[in-house]
Amino acid sequence: ELKVEQNPLFLSMQEGKNYTIYCNYSTTSDRLYWYRQDPGKSLESLFVLLSNGAVKQEGRLMASLDTKARLSTLHITAAVHDLSATYFCAVEEYGNKLVFGAGTILRVKS
Amino acid sequence: GAGVSQSPSNKVTEKGKDVELRCDPISGHTALYWYRQSLGQGLEFLIYFQGNSAPDKSGLPSDRFSAERTGGSVSTLTIQRTQQEDSAVYLCASSLVGTHTDTQYFGPGTRLTVL
Repeated sequence: ELKVEQNPLFLSMQEGKNYTIYCNYSTTSDRLYWYRQDPGKSLESLFVLLSNGAVKQEGRLMASLDTKARLSTLHITAAVHDLSATYFCAVEEYGNKLVFGAGTILRVKS
Repeated sequence: GAGVSQSPSNKVTEKGKDVELRCDPISGHTALYWYRQSLGQGLEFLIYFQGNSAPDKSGLPSDRFSAERTGGSVSTLTIQRTQQEDSAVYLCASSLVGTHTDTQYFGPGTRLTVL
């Protein structure tokens, strides 16, 4: 059974600082996704990572994948308040089924 | 439509009643998924439809839960004899299987409260 662990589960950071969210998973998978969720809203797709060494960047967010270590990271550069949200990683199990991590609540303080 | 739509957005029901939740996927998407999000359990897969294949029901928590997808488009998730532990946000997603990324796009969800 595929298990996905995220850490930290809660992250409070100052504007302008850098930080990294980690996502570990237990079995081999072809795809890993990062989603963002704002309070009371649905999930917004951020990145999909398909292969070992894949790196995707959008604005202040950069995601990477190490399939050998079964580890993905979401790096936040020079955080701004608008990045406050909950971030989920999700790993594809068989048949397109996604197994989600518990989510990381990010709060960026001015 | 532009995105996945779900109705109702909120549903309050009494324990023991049946409820139906609806999902309209993105036009042309071949796959449709139901997930549940609750405080205690996080985001859990429920069921997956792909084309004319038999659905993957492996995530349904009990036989009180069932889902249909008519005409390869709209889906209805039915919960019979609701219990308080069924209270959660039910999220629907769709994707175009066979593309490079198969990204699942989520709807706004239905918040179900069982009193």
